[in-house]
Amino acid sequence: EPEVTQTPSHQVTQMGQEVILRCVPISNHLYFYWYRQILGQKVEFLVSFYNNEISEKSEIFDDQFSVERPDGSNFTLKIRSTKLEDSAMYFCASSRDNQPQHFGDGTRLSIL
Amino acid sequence: DAKTTQPPSMDCAEGRAANLPCNHSTISGNEYVYWYRQIHSQGPQYIIHGLKNNETNEMASLIITEDRKSSTLILPHATLRDTAVYYCIVRGTNFGNEKLTFGTGTRLTIIP
Repeated sequence: EPEVTQTPSHQVTQMGQEVILRCVPISNHLYFYWYRQILGQKVEFLVSFYNNEISEKSEIFDDQFSVERPDGSNFTLKIRSTKLEDSAMYFCASSRDNQPQHFGDGTRLSIL
Repeated sequence: DAKTTQPPSMDCAEGRAANLPCNHSTISGNEYVYWYRQIHSQGPQYIIHGLKNNETNEMASLIITEDRKSSTLILPHATLRDTAVYYCIVRGTNFGNEKLTFGTGTRLTIIP
């Protein structure tokens, strides 16, 4: 069964550094999402992306965040200058129209 | 905020049916009920969804009350691998872009 894959599984970065999290959505999916989960807290929506533009973003998704689909297969989340509070699991998801979202197993981001 | 209410935790004996309730008293006529689960810190896994009719797939059954104000997810023969946090989510019909709003879910523990 096709699945969403995310790399790396764990990323350790110094505060203030840029980080890029990568996702390969399911191949025939058109809608892409990022969510995050701070340890012990709820899964929170960050951003949705369709047709090469952001469809919706949450308050969390400020100017430090950006998303890109640089080619036909990858979907990336960039945090420009990381803060301690960015430490979390980041989940990518994708879906077809009128179909459920399917999630990857996440990237654990640790900011030192 | 999540539009659903779930018990924080439940136990179920291995081999028995696990029945997970969810209240969604403010659900609108065109909103679907979705169920996801999260095993340990893995990505949320889609289980099942429905509008008003009962639904069944290879993983579970979903029973929605006639007034649609509540639903029950049924895992017919629970195994230890079903230990997870289960999320009941109400989502509109704009499947393509609409985010998922996660609550705190029900932590289901399957007891040997």
